[in-house]
Amino acid sequence: AQTVTQSQPEMSVQEAETVTLSCTYDTSENNYYLFWYKQPPSRQMILVIRQEAYKQQNATENRFSVNFQKAAKSFSLKISDSQLGDTAMYFCAFMTALQGAQKLVFGQGTRLTINP
Amino acid sequence: NAGVTQTPKFRILKIGQSMTLQCAQDMNHNYMYWYRQDPGMGLKLIYYSVGAGITDKGEVPNGYNVSRSTTEDFPLRLELAAPSQTSVYFCASSYSWGSSYNEQFFGPGTRLTVL
Repeated sequence: AQTVTQSQPEMSVQEAETVTLSCTYDTSENNYYLFWYKQPPSRQMILVIRQEAYKQQNATENRFSVNFQKAAKSFSLKISDSQLGDTAMYFCAFMTALQGAQKLVFGQGTRLTINP
Repeated sequence: NAGVTQTPKFRILKIGQSMTLQCAQDMNHNYMYWYRQDPGMGLKLIYYSVGAGITDKGEVPNGYNVSRSTTEDFPLRLELAAPSQTSVYFCASSYSWGSSYNEQFFGPGTRLTVL
């Protein structure tokens, strides 16, 4: 079974700083997807960024980028020029690429606070 | 499109009561999912469905039942509610074909408290 571990329960940075959230996972599969979800106080789950395991290039979405290290099974999220609206819980998630098995496995989450 | 809708938003149950959490999507997605999120934790999969009439267990199915009679609806039934089922419940849907990935869209969640 796959597992996802986020070792930072809470993080806090000043507005405009850069922050990196850590995530490690365990799987025996070669093809899979990795995700970062944002959950603001509204509880809505918002997809921030995704990475396909077969792609060596790290995914980027505006101020959000990942550092995907497949051999180390590491998938960190970097938020540049952090904004107050980035304050939220952030969840790392894994999905196998096997046909028909579109199930997400989530980490425990990191509570990120951006201070003015 | 309304996306994924869930009712109710909040509910308090007494131990032993039963209830059904409703979930509907209007995106013609074939896959639907139920997750629960305990306080301070990530989401865990309860049940999922790959199409009308087909359901399967996820990681934490005990104490729950599901049915999928239409593409649009995927209700979650709690029988004999227990305090351990106090959680926030999320429904999600996606369109999946073969091994290709498609984003899961989440509903707003239902906060359930069992006292």
